[in-house]
Amino acid sequence: KNQVEQSPQSLIILEGKNCTLQCNYTVSPFSNLRWYKQDTGRGPVSLTIMTFSENTKSNGRYTATLDADTKQSSLHITASQLSDSASYICVVSLMNNNAGNMLTFGGGTRLMVKP
Amino acid sequence: NAGVTQTPKFQVLKTGQSMTLQCAQDMNHEYMSWYRQDPGMGLRLIHYSVGAGITDQGEVPNGYNVSRSTTEDFPLRLLSAAPSQTSVYFCASSRLAGGRYEQYFGPGTRLTVT
Repeated sequence: KNQVEQSPQSLIILEGKNCTLQCNYTVSPFSNLRWYKQDTGRGPVSLTIMTFSENTKSNGRYTATLDADTKQSSLHITASQLSDSASYICVVSLMNNNAGNMLTFGGGTRLMVKP
Repeated sequence: NAGVTQTPKFQVLKTGQSMTLQCAQDMNHEYMSWYRQDPGMGLRLIHYSVGAGITDQGEVPNGYNVSRSTTEDFPLRLLSAAPSQTSVYFCASSRLAGGRYEQYFGPGTRLTVT
């Protein structure tokens, strides 16, 4: 069964610190992996999208890495800000997905940044 | 562009009632989908549409109907609400960009069934 597992489930860090969120997946055949940020009461917003040939992708203070061999991804947040408090969701897409909607979602990591 | 809009934002239903969750997008995206999000679980696909007049079932379609008469609108109907349908519902639209689909989510509808 295609699965996406994220860790930790929740994390509290102090403002200005760095943190790394993990994502392991068993989805096959793999097309791409996405990280979304979901603020409380809002829909998810895309941060990065990586195909199997991309090892890393950055979006400001967010850097995602991908190891397609071990089926692991991480999202590193640098110099955290209070506005980074949100849930971060790892999403994996199946290959040859004509409908564009066969995505497997992880349960998310809830990050809280404290002053 | 307003992006993806959903109404209502909150809704409380009694068991057995029916209702329609509205979703609209103004980006001319062909693909639209409905998800539900439950605590501790990833979003799960309910129904999706690859274009006007075409819909298909996702992972958890039971108890829900959809239709796609226009590119812009993709309503989700609950036929006879049950407490198990208490959840947050997200509508999304997708476009093909650079060989992959980019999804845009609406703000969600929080539904409680008592």
